[in-house]
Amino acid sequence: RKEVEQDPGPFNVPEGATVAFNCTYSNSASQSFFWYRQDCRKEPKLLMSVYSSGNEDGRFTAQLNRASQYISLLIRDSKLSDSATYLCVVNMPASGTYKYIFGTGTRLKVLA
Amino acid sequence: DAGITQSPRHKVTETGTPVTLRCHQTENHRYMYWYRQDPGHGLRLIHYSYGVKDTDKGEVSDGYSVSRSKTEDFLLTLESATSSQTSVYFCAIRLVPSYNEQFFGPGTRLTVL
Repeated sequence: RKEVEQDPGPFNVPEGATVAFNCTYSNSASQSFFWYRQDCRKEPKLLMSVYSSGNEDGRFTAQLNRASQYISLLIRDSKLSDSATYLCVVNMPASGTYKYIFGTGTRLKVLA
Repeated sequence: DAGITQSPRHKVTETGTPVTLRCHQTENHRYMYWYRQDPGHGLRLIHYSYGVKDTDKGEVSDGYSVSRSKTEDFLLTLESATSSQTSVYFCAIRLVPSYNEQFFGPGTRLTVL
């Protein structure tokens, strides 16, 4: 089992749609959780940190479910500019310290 | 913008040659990381640094070495490049104290022929 797993997609959605991504993680002692956005041939950019109580930033909502060991990202009213790959990142214990483990990403295409 | 630059941005080299990639940051961050990104894999940690002259290995460190002689620069060296090291390399910093967010440099695209 991979330490962090994401559905690779692609998710093809029309403009204005709501889309949700999930990401599961293997280590229940994981400490911090993040969603990054990566455009083609660019660096990952932090979209949202995911807090225990859940958090929202405009059209984006992130949730953490520690009991089931997954995080989610909800995008409302999708825009063409939301087309990108979304990376799930988990900070989890490894060899006496904490390491960032990256999912392979979920591709989103928003269609006109 | 976390003030991170990487150089070179693109490099083509031949098998067996040494290559050094540079990561430079301007905001005095203590923690710095080198990752590689390949199709079908998430970003994978090569090495990281938790201070000047303090470095440790990541999960894919074979064939790579690093140095950090001053806070602002973290160098990644491929002693003898191989075709399997063709990849995109990203440098990152970690915000402390914070929620441990990482911010990435623009990347270096390395091709080993």
